[in-house]
Amino acid sequence: AQSVTQLGSHVSVSEGALVLLRCNYSSSVPPYLFWYVQYPNQGLQLLLKYTTGATLVKGINGFEAEFKKSETSFHLTKPSAHMSDAAEYFCAVSKGRSQGNLIFGKGTKLSVKP
Amino acid sequence: EPEVTQTPSHQVTQMGQEVILRCVPISNHLYFYWYRQILGQKVEFLVSFYNNEISEKSEIFDDQFSVERPDGSNFTLKIRSTKLEDSAMYFCASSEGFMGAQLYGYTFGSGTRLTVV
Repeated sequence: AQSVTQLGSHVSVSEGALVLLRCNYSSSVPPYLFWYVQYPNQGLQLLLKYTTGATLVKGINGFEAEFKKSETSFHLTKPSAHMSDAAEYFCAVSKGRSQGNLIFGKGTKLSVKP
Repeated sequence: EPEVTQTPSHQVTQMGQEVILRCVPISNHLYFYWYRQILGQKVEFLVSFYNNEISEKSEIFDDQFSVERPDGSNFTLKIRSTKLEDSAMYFCASSEGFMGAQLYGYTFGSGTRLTVV
C-alpha cells in the first residue's frame, strides 16, 4: 500500500535561507509524486510533480524536488526563501498508475522570518 | 485561470442533521473528487466520480455519504446524518481526465470547513 511521510510538521526559516521540506514515500509500484501548497484560506495548488523521466523536477515559485528512488524520497527545496512562501506544503503519491486518487502526507507548515 | 468553486466556505451544523456541500468543477473537466482533512490530520480521499457514477470510494465513504451531479455544473457531497467526527475541511477537485490527474494534477477548490456541534 502507498503511504507518505513528511518529516516535521512545522519548519521555520529566515528570509533568504534555504528551504528544505522532507517527504518519503512507500509504493509497491513506480510512483507518481506531487507537491501541493496551501496558502491561508485557499485551496491546494500544484507546485510540481514527478511522473517519469528527469528526476529533478522544477515547479512554480522557484521550488524544485528530486525523486530519489534508492532513498524513496521526494524532498522539496528552494534556494532562497521569500516571505510569500509561508504556507502549508503537502506531499502526495498516486495510489497507482491505474487509479486517480492521491495519498497525502500530513503536511508541513513553513514559516519565514524576516 | 479556471477555478474550482466550493460553497459555503464554512458551515456549522447540529449532529444528526443533513448537510450538502457544493462544488462547481472546471467546465471541461470530466473527473471529480472529494477529499477531506480532519484538523491536524492528513488529507484523505473520499470518492471519485465520472460519467455520472462513482468510480472509486474509500472506506471512509460509507452509507451516510452520497455524491451527485444534479446538473451540468454542480457536484455535491451529501452527509445524511452528521456526526461529530465528520467535522473537517472538505475539498472538491476536478481533473481533465483519469490520466489527467496523473499528468497534470488535480485542481482543488478552497474547501468547506464543516463543524458539527
